Amino acid sequence: NAGVTQTPKFQVLKTGQSMTLQCAQDMNHNSMYWYRQDPGMGLRLIYYSASEGTTDKGEVPNGYNVSRLNKREFSLRLESAAPSQTSVYFCASSELVTGGGGYTFGSGTRLTVV
Amino acid sequence: GNSVTQMEGPVTLSEEAFLTINCTYTATGYPSLFWYVQYPGEGLQLLLKATKADDKGSNKGFEATYRKETTSFHLEKGSVQVSDSAVYFCALIYNFNKFYFGSGTKLNVKP
Repeated sequence: NAGVTQTPKFQVLKTGQSMTLQCAQDMNHNSMYWYRQDPGMGLRLIYYSASEGTTDKGEVPNGYNVSRLNKREFSLRLESAAPSQTSVYFCASSELVTGGGGYTFGSGTRLTVV
Repeated sequence: GNSVTQMEGPVTLSEEAFLTINCTYTATGYPSLFWYVQYPGEGLQLLLKATKADDKGSNKGFEATYRKETTSFHLEKGSVQVSDSAVYFCALIYNFNKFYFGSGTKLNVKP
């Protein structure tokens, strides 16, 4: 049981480059999320998908796009990377749309934009 | 608005010491409260949760009680181990996917 799998684990981009972070869960969860984690700021929600076919903005969506490809997969795309997007990115999923049972997190993608 | 405030770290303790990490929250309504733990190089793992006032969440020797009167959810453990060294996040969820995390408290346990 892999839980939530994120790829890649590490990435270095040049300013202006694009990339897609991949996330897949095998728990048949309905809802999926993308967070970024920055020192001293905890986790901030970028986008979420309450169910297959829907996506919504979170607290810090600017500069990102998402795709809920199917129930298992939820990708995050940076179209034109900026140094301010250097961060650790976490994907998460939850069974209920309210997240009341808690989230299951992936192990993270450490992204550096130079 | 809704928010979570945790005590700043790092917290450094000797093995078998008593642990308290303070967490207070601001929310309208009745949120569910959580503690997550993050070990180095890993994602966050759910440690415990409480969904209503006076509930006590517990797991792996850790406990936290949902105190509505003081809007607190302090994490405690009677005897910490070196393996408990990690970053601990308090969080609340309120009203449909509104999940708020504290900034995290790093715990260092020395042998």
